[in-house]
Amino acid sequence: GAVVSQHPSWVICKSGTSVKIECRSLDFQATTMFWYRQFPKQSLMLMATSNEGSKATYEQGVEKDKFLINHASLTLSTLTVTSAHPEDSSFYICSAKFPGALNQPQHFGDGTRLSIL
Amino acid sequence: ILNVEQSPQSLHVQEGDSTNFTCSFPSSNFYALHWYRWETAKSPEALFVMTLNGDEKKKGRISATLNTKEGYSYLYIKGSQPEDSATYLCAPNQAGTALIFGKGTTLSVSS
Repeated sequence: GAVVSQHPSWVICKSGTSVKIECRSLDFQATTMFWYRQFPKQSLMLMATSNEGSKATYEQGVEKDKFLINHASLTLSTLTVTSAHPEDSSFYICSAKFPGALNQPQHFGDGTRLSIL
Repeated sequence: ILNVEQSPQSLHVQEGDSTNFTCSFPSSNFYALHWYRWETAKSPEALFVMTLNGDEKKKGRISATLNTKEGYSYLYIKGSQPEDSATYLCAPNQAGTALIFGKGTTLSVSS
C-alpha cells in the first residue's frame, strides 16, 4: 500500500490564488521530504529538500518566496505556491525516504496536477 | 548539477520481446543509482537501489546492472508484458545529495 499520501491530486484555480499541497508519510517518520516539479516531456526536477524543524533547502533557480515549504512535523510537509500564475501550472510531486542509510529508495506521493487559469 | 541521460526516450515492443535501456551519469563522487517505474496515474515505484560497481539486481523479469567506473546502468526486461508499460526513471545521487532524475524511457508493450 501507499506509504506517502499527497493531497490534492488536481487543482484548478484562478491566477493570483495561493495553493497548498500536503505530503504525508504514512506509518513512518520522515525527517526529510523532497519536492519535485515536472514540466511536460521533462524529467522530475528537484525543487527543494524539506527538513523537519528547519528551513527547506531550495535548488538553484527556485524562488523560496514563491514556493513556501513547511515541515512542521515528522509526517507532514506542505508546499504552498503563493500567488500562482499560469506559468506555475505543472505537476508537483513529493517523496520521502525511511530514516537510515542514504541508499534507501524514496517513496513518492501520487502527485498534484496544478492548473492556473 | 548531475547530467543524467536515459536512452532511448521511448520504446515500443511486442509482448514477449526482451528489451533493455540505458542510464548514463557522471562517475565522479558516485554514491547510489536508483531505478523507478512510473505507471500513468500512479506514483513512481522503486525498483532497485544499486551502490557497488558490478552490482546486478533482479526483480522478477526485470534486472539491472551497474558500472560506476564508466557511469552507466542497464535495465533489462525479459519477456515484456503489457503491464510492463510505464516510464522507467533512473536517478543517481552523490553522497549526501538528493536524487537527480533522468527524463525516463517510456516503454509501450503491445499484446
